[in-house]
Amino acid sequence: DGGITQSPKYLFRKEGQNVTLSCEQNLNHDAMYWYRQDPGQGLRLIYYSQIVNDFQKGDIAEGYSVSREKKESFPLTVTSAQKNPTAFYLCASSIRQGRTDTQYFGPGTRLTVL
Amino acid sequence: DAKTTQPNSMESNEEEPVHLPCNHSTISGTDYIHWYRQLPSQGPEYVIHGLTSNVNNRMASLAIAEDRKSSTLILHRATLRDAAVYYCILRDYDKIIFGKGTRLHILP
Repeated sequence: DGGITQSPKYLFRKEGQNVTLSCEQNLNHDAMYWYRQDPGQGLRLIYYSQIVNDFQKGDIAEGYSVSREKKESFPLTVTSAQKNPTAFYLCASSIRQGRTDTQYFGPGTRLTVL
Repeated sequence: DAKTTQPNSMESNEEEPVHLPCNHSTISGTDYIHWYRQLPSQGPEYVIHGLTSNVNNRMASLAIAEDRKSSTLILHRATLRDAAVYYCILRDYDKIIFGKGTRLHILP
């Protein structure tokens, strides 16, 4: 089945540690995205990549880093510089439809900083 | 950036139609109107999108005002599985902004 996988589903981290969240897609989509969602809030864009080896900052990129070495993979690293990293993290990929696109989301990773 | 305004929550009875409104008075000519919905602890799911004309698919209908400053997502016959947060989003290819959405409660 085609889709987006995120791992792990739940992640616990000690304060001051970096942690990497995995996102893989087998939909052959060019574009991939990372969002953060806090309780009761909408999604906020962290980083996005429209093509391999290229990515752009979203609205809340500080304290995060990404890489896009392969079309299928877009890992997100939450660094110790992120002041309040506890949140629900969602990865998405998209396919172009004319002048717009449709995003497909993974199941999310819930990160808790202890 | 263009924003959308939605009611925080709405209720509807099961098996009745639901009309979810969205205001986007600062929409630009190239912004598409997208709707996604999110069930608890899951990623959002695409529902429908449109530019100027009304759109229908198997999940819902999208009615867009003539001046494009508002739109309405229509669920023709709500079921308990339609209980979710519904997001109305203006989408230009390089930017996407999710608001808080409308939490839809379905009453059995």
